[in-house]
Amino acid sequence: SAVISQKPSRDICQRGTSLTIQCQVDSQVTMMFWYRQQPGQSLTLIATANQGSEATYESGFVIDKFPISRPNLTFSTLTVSNMSPEDSSIYLCSVGKAGGRGNEQFFGPGTRLTVL
Amino acid sequence: RKEVEQDPGPFNVPEGATVAFNCTYSNSASQSFFWYRQDCRKEPKLLMSVYSSGNEDGRFTAQLNRASQYISLLIRDSKLSDSATYLCVVRVVDSSYKLIFGSGTRLLVRP
Repeated sequence: SAVISQKPSRDICQRGTSLTIQCQVDSQVTMMFWYRQQPGQSLTLIATANQGSEATYESGFVIDKFPISRPNLTFSTLTVSNMSPEDSSIYLCSVGKAGGRGNEQFFGPGTRLTVL
Repeated sequence: RKEVEQDPGPFNVPEGATVAFNCTYSNSASQSFFWYRQDCRKEPKLLMSVYSSGNEDGRFTAQLNRASQYISLLIRDSKLSDSATYLCVVRVVDSSYKLIFGSGTRLLVRP
């Protein structure tokens, strides 16, 4: 398995500001991902965080709004830029690890963001 | 049309009941299938993978029908601790970790 921590666990921010969320894993992993879970909704993949290169974004998500860093195999950050109330959501980091159950994905505890 | 569709529920059942959740997926190229469980205000956790031959893990049985693009989860002898949201999840490319989540089915088990 993988132990994943996220900081901050929650935040309340003013519109127009930016927030950087950190994700730390207890072991080196190849694949790291960032998801968003809006209130009452399921998870939507924002991007794949690639170590040493630019992140790969899903349709509807752009680098200017959600810049991502991945400086090494255990750490990544997601920034939510120029926030608006529509960005209020839970942001989850996840990692992929090969294991007995195939390519399993583990999730961090999430960062609960409220934008006023 | 959503790529993965689930009945949102909630399913409200008494302890000991048997409950079944269904899920359909739209991409016929989908390769891997999972059920995740998400407790209130917690992150999702893998409950079980779903195989074409069907598979069982204790009180939980998962089945896959590729022809109908349909996945099911059966929970027998429900416990209070089974109350959670159950997410149907699909991976299109087996070599990729990218997952597509359904919106989840909420289960409430009452005493």
